[in-house]
Amino acid sequence: GAGVSQSPSNKVTEKGKDVELRCDPISGHTALYWYRQSLGQGLEFLIYFQGNSAPDKSGLPSDRFSAERTGGSVSTLTIQRTQQEDSAVYLCASRSEVRRANDQAFFGQGTRLTVV
Amino acid sequence: QKEVEQDPGPLSVPEGAIVSLNCTYSNSAFQYFMWYRQYSRKGPELLMYTYSSGNKEDGRFTAQVDKSSKYISLFIRDSQPSDSATYLCAMSQAGTALIFGKGTTLSVSS
Repeated sequence: GAGVSQSPSNKVTEKGKDVELRCDPISGHTALYWYRQSLGQGLEFLIYFQGNSAPDKSGLPSDRFSAERTGGSVSTLTIQRTQQEDSAVYLCASRSEVRRANDQAFFGQGTRLTVV
Repeated sequence: QKEVEQDPGPLSVPEGAIVSLNCTYSNSAFQYFMWYRQYSRKGPELLMYTYSSGNKEDGRFTAQVDKSSKYISLFIRDSQPSDSATYLCAMSQAGTALIFGKGTTLSVSS
């Protein structure tokens, strides 16, 4: 597709359940990011994949959060044993880092997660 | 001190006004500077992108980067009600994650 695609767009889950959020980046983009945005807050960095390098996981808030990127394309963010404070919009972005002039990140529409 | 500071506002202006949005940062290694616009319940969309210091103009929008002061600005001329949104500054070093400000909420009244 032309842009970054995220699914589902909305997810309501019960506290304690696991959830998986999916991101399809722009074709050819080597970098992929996950961010979290809580109500009235800025974007909180979670994890960053760049090509075949080890991902930067420094933003993951706890070991309940994990992410993988298969084949350098699609990424899945998994939250285990969800808590109410995990409720937020989870945003994915992809970026081409082939040339400096194209070093721009484009975002998907996000997955709105509500933990009840 | 947070890496990126941005006044959350809200900022309310009449239609046609010039709007100035700003961010300060502490990491002198940042090289890439971006402004994103985010409408309610939508993902951020890239508005302006600047590499290193200098100015960049695109229509009614001008982005300025002053690396010596660690200060970036976005100016909106002849503001329109459709400009009402949250504006997020973002910056990074080469090959690292984007670090965002908290965003400034702008309201332009007709």
